[in-house]
Amino acid sequence: QSVLTQPPSASGTPGQRVTISCSGSSSNIGSNYVYWYQQLPGTAPKLLIYRNDQRPSGVPDRFSGSKSGTSASLAISGLRSEDEADYYCAAWDDSLSGPVFGGGAKLTVL
Amino acid sequence: EVQLVQSAAEMKKPGESLKISCKGSGYSFTSYWIGWVRQMPGKGLEWMGMIYPSDSDTRYSPSFEGQVLISTDKSISTAYLQWGSLRASDTAIYYCARHLGQRHTFDIWGQGTMVTVFS
Repeated sequence: QSVLTQPPSASGTPGQRVTISCSGSSSNIGSNYVYWYQQLPGTAPKLLIYRNDQRPSGVPDRFSGSKSGTSASLAISGLRSEDEADYYCAAWDDSLSGPVFGGGAKLTVL
Repeated sequence: EVQLVQSAAEMKKPGESLKISCKGSGYSFTSYWIGWVRQMPGKGLEWMGMIYPSDSDTRYSPSFEGQVLISTDKSISTAYLQWGSLRASDTAIYYCARHLGQRHTFDIWGQGTMVTVFS
């Protein structure tokens, strides 16, 4: 059972916009930054969004993040087949004194 | 280029010991916490613990305290994760990753080390 709650799956057709939600509590998302990671099949996770809504260099602006209270969302616009991956949210947890993750959402491009 | 390079895959028997490594390059290794993350087959990511190479300050997730040992050799910019006695349930991919800051999660990840424990 993951500390952060994500839907297990999401899907969309090429060109569509999809969102993936991430719900937490006051000890994690409510008081710390949210991070998003993309894990392509057979590879290590890659940082997609940091500090709630910032994109590292090289990440397309099709990816965007937002946070409100104890929840966060990742939006992917102009969906492409290469976006098929698992997406994880993460945040520091003050109770654990360490980072916590969502269970991951598997994105399928139909 | 900032990167973390991990040691190769391991196949071990239950009860054996193991130490895997994570070498940092392209940045000041002693200035960032290094964390370890477990991914069991077909499952999500779990934080195990972290270490600050400058002074070896180490923190563990309660789920992994006493099960593994995290260490570092800052002279060669390398962090380690070790087990004294492996179990079949330790079969997983283990990632090292650099923390953006003490109360932040990760920016750079290693490529992962697959550990298989079988009898």
